[in-house]
Amino acid sequence: EDQVTQSPEALRLQEGESSSLNCSYTVSGLRGLFWYRQDPGKGPEFLFTLYSAGEEKEKERLKATLTKKESFLHITAPKPEDSATYLCAVHSLQGAQKLVFGQGTRLTINP
Amino acid sequence: EAQVTQNPRYLITVTGKKLTVTCSQNMNHEYMSWYRQDPGLGLRQIYYSMNVEVTDKGDVPEGYKVSRKEKRNFPLILESPSPNQTSLYFCASSSGTIDTDTQYFGPGTRLTVL
Repeated sequence: EDQVTQSPEALRLQEGESSSLNCSYTVSGLRGLFWYRQDPGKGPEFLFTLYSAGEEKEKERLKATLTKKESFLHITAPKPEDSATYLCAVHSLQGAQKLVFGQGTRLTINP
Repeated sequence: EAQVTQNPRYLITVTGKKLTVTCSQNMNHEYMSWYRQDPGLGLRQIYYSMNVEVTDKGDVPEGYKVSRKEKRNFPLILESPSPNQTSLYFCASSSGTIDTDTQYFGPGTRLTVL
């Protein structure tokens, strides 16, 4: 059974304090790993897709990396507007057209 | 504006009273999906549809029905709602397969079943 575990559950940082969020996964062959951002009261918003170990993608202050067992979302010099819940999801070879999501990391950036 | 819309956004109902949550997208997307989001459990897929008249179960389909008669619409039907279906529901769509195409999510429907 495909599983996704995100850590920590919540993270509070000061503005400018860089850190990383972790997404560990167990799948029967990875088709893709996805990162989404979710603001309170809104639907998830797509950030990145990673397909193979060693792949990296960047967007503004965010950088996502992928290994064979986990993915990291690195946040460099975050700003208060980066506060949100970050969701990780996987699509496996045996998952048809289904995504399996982790529980999310709630990130708060204090000014 | 390209978007996924859901109605209603909030709904309080009673056990056993049939209800439908509508989902519509204006992006001519082939793929549509329904998720529920619960504290501590994350987003879980209920049903998805690869195209008109093609639907398949996700991980938590019990107690739900869907239909895809038109490309743009994908309603979620609860024939006899129960309190354990109290949740936040999201509809999503993408132009093709989910591993290559971005999924766009609707704003969510918060359902309370008393």
